[in-house]
Amino acid sequence: SQQGEEDPQALSIQEGENATMNCSYKTSINNLQWYRQNSGRGLVHLILIRSNEREKHSGRLRVTLDTSKKSSSLLITASRAADTASYFCATERYSTLTFGKGTMLLVSP
Amino acid sequence: KAGVTQTPRYLIKTRGQQVTLSCSPISGHRSVSWYQQTPGQGLQFLFEYFSETQRNKGNFPGRFSGRQFSNSRSEMNVSTLELGDSALYLCASSLDPGDTEAFFGQGTRLTVV
Repeated sequence: SQQGEEDPQALSIQEGENATMNCSYKTSINNLQWYRQNSGRGLVHLILIRSNEREKHSGRLRVTLDTSKKSSSLLITASRAADTASYFCATERYSTLTFGKGTMLLVSP
Repeated sequence: KAGVTQTPRYLIKTRGQQVTLSCSPISGHRSVSWYQQTPGQGLQFLFEYFSETQRNKGNFPGRFSGRQFSNSRSEMNVSTLELGDSALYLCASSLDPGDTEAFFGQGTRLTVV
């Protein structure tokens, strides 16, 4: 069963705009991770935030985690056409990852 | 440092056949996990291996099995293939189980006809 649920399912923006994706989950977690997948290829790890952290930055990425609401958000600032991909959140518990269904992001030039 | 290598990249099999997929983790990584990705069900956890032992198993029938060798390489096997087994099978490696990032291979695209 899916643990994380991303919102929105699809997002279309222009280059230079910011993109925000949200993820909700159901059970307690050790950490939450965000991954990117380009067109049916392998997943690329973006960022990991532990359950005792509230915010983390990596380049143009900003992730927040609210364990009381069991939710996380991924913000991509100043988006580029190359950011076009599917983005998945994954919760880690008992050393396994449980993925949501993903958000498809389209960044138009 | 070489990434996670999955072979073959593409595979076409007939219903009823069996298939073996291979995964070579990043050097030094001892944990290997397998996932199935389909349009309908998304990414689903199959199993995880560490030190040649299966630590966790997802909710898949017994037709799906796997193993890990002493060099941490892993294989998964699907017997008596069904049309619904058509999917992208992804392998991920990490240093150890648990609280670390996972590195994924490019996947094996299996089509069952």
